[in-house]
Amino acid sequence: AQSVTQPDIHITVSEGASLELRCNYSYGATPYLFWYVQSPGQGLQLLLKYFSGDTLVQGIKGFEAEFKRSQSSFNLRKPSVHWSDAAEYFCAETDSWGKFQFGAGTQVVVTP
Amino acid sequence: AAGVIQSPRHLIKEKRETATLKCYPIPRHDTVYWYQQGPGQDPQFLISFYEKMQSDKGSIPDRFSAQQFSDYHSELNMSSLELGDSALYFCASSLGRTGDNTEAFFGQGTRLTVV
Repeated sequence: AQSVTQPDIHITVSEGASLELRCNYSYGATPYLFWYVQSPGQGLQLLLKYFSGDTLVQGIKGFEAEFKRSQSSFNLRKPSVHWSDAAEYFCAETDSWGKFQFGAGTQVVVTP
Repeated sequence: AAGVIQSPRHLIKEKRETATLKCYPIPRHDTVYWYQQGPGQDPQFLISFYEKMQSDKGSIPDRFSAQQFSDYHSELNMSSLELGDSALYFCASSLGRTGDNTEAFFGQGTRLTVV
């Protein structure tokens, strides 16, 4: 069965500082991995996705993620955080039929 | 570009009432997924449809049913509502299976409040 782990429930980062959100997956076969962002009361917006190929994936809003099969990880990074990046971030894995397994989410707080 | 449309955006119902949530996928998308996100929780998969047939089923209560119609829109019917059904319900759509290098697009969700 699929399982996605986001070890950090809550992260506080200063505006302008770098951000890294951790995600570990457990699906044995080639995983399809995603990062979504959700603002309060809003829907899920796709930041980036990994299906195959280059292990460093570029997304929207300056985010990138690196797929590391040896570590079963798909960590999300941003070099310089903006106040508008404060939100909840979900890592997700899907099987070939698109049934998403989401991680518990990481709440990001950006301080001035 | 057209996105996944969910209606209504907000819904308030009393306990034991019935609710119907609608999802209109992106044009030409043939696959629809329903998710439930409780307060402070991650989205949980409920059910999915591919070409109007149920393709997978998750933790969907027996009080809930869903279907996909000939125009590919989907409806989630929820009966005998309980307080614990209060959640944000997401619909997503994709063209074919996600495993075929496609992706699912999420709607804005319907916030159901049961009082």
